[in-house]
Amino acid sequence: DTGVSQDPRHKITKRGQNVTFRCDPISEHNRLYWYRQTLGQGPEFLTYFQNEAQLEKSRLLSDRFSAERPKGSFSTLEIQRTEQGDSAMYLCASSSQAASGGADTQYFGPGTRLTVL
Amino acid sequence: GQNIDQPTEMTATEGAIVQINCTYQTSGFNGLFWYQQHAGEAPTFLSYNVLDGLEEKGRFSSFLSRSKGYSYLLLKELQMKDSASYLCAVRGVNAGNMLTFGGGTRLMVKP
Repeated sequence: DTGVSQDPRHKITKRGQNVTFRCDPISEHNRLYWYRQTLGQGPEFLTYFQNEAQLEKSRLLSDRFSAERPKGSFSTLEIQRTEQGDSAMYLCASSSQAASGGADTQYFGPGTRLTVL
Repeated sequence: GQNIDQPTEMTATEGAIVQINCTYQTSGFNGLFWYQQHAGEAPTFLSYNVLDGLEEKGRFSSFLSRSKGYSYLLLKELQMKDSASYLCAVRGVNAGNMLTFGGGTRLMVKP
């Protein structure tokens, strides 16, 4: 059973460019989450999908950020007109209440490290 | 809203026992998680508590007191590979199912 995978692992871009990240969750997990983590801090919640429906968005998710999960499997996170403050590690996690005996434990991918120059 | 506090750094000796505390204030509570994160890597799940008491998993144990808004992670027989950040995270009762994380405790294990 493979874990959560993310692509790319690293992305360097210039300010003002658009970037897109992909997350492939654990296959039987119907819930998918995006978090952002900066150095020395814990992850901060960005958004949450149950199947293909985006059910929650953080106030941190400005209108430059958009996430999709079109078929309830993989998800993409796009950042438009990147700013230097967007530099962070973007983490994806997935979970399934049925698969974890009610704990609905979130399992994290390796992350995409974004550097905006 | 939710507020989670844990010490920023701790140091311990190989073979010893260390306790990492976490206090939280939440508008609703639906479980507390501990994750381990090595530098540059993803958080990996360690333990889950939703009821008061101690959960033991090998060298790692986690305790929860909901009335006190308090949890701790206990690491026994410390090994050098235990040097990492330990993240306390609380899940609320909102529809988002999201986790709110503390800033993490960076543990350094010395020989």
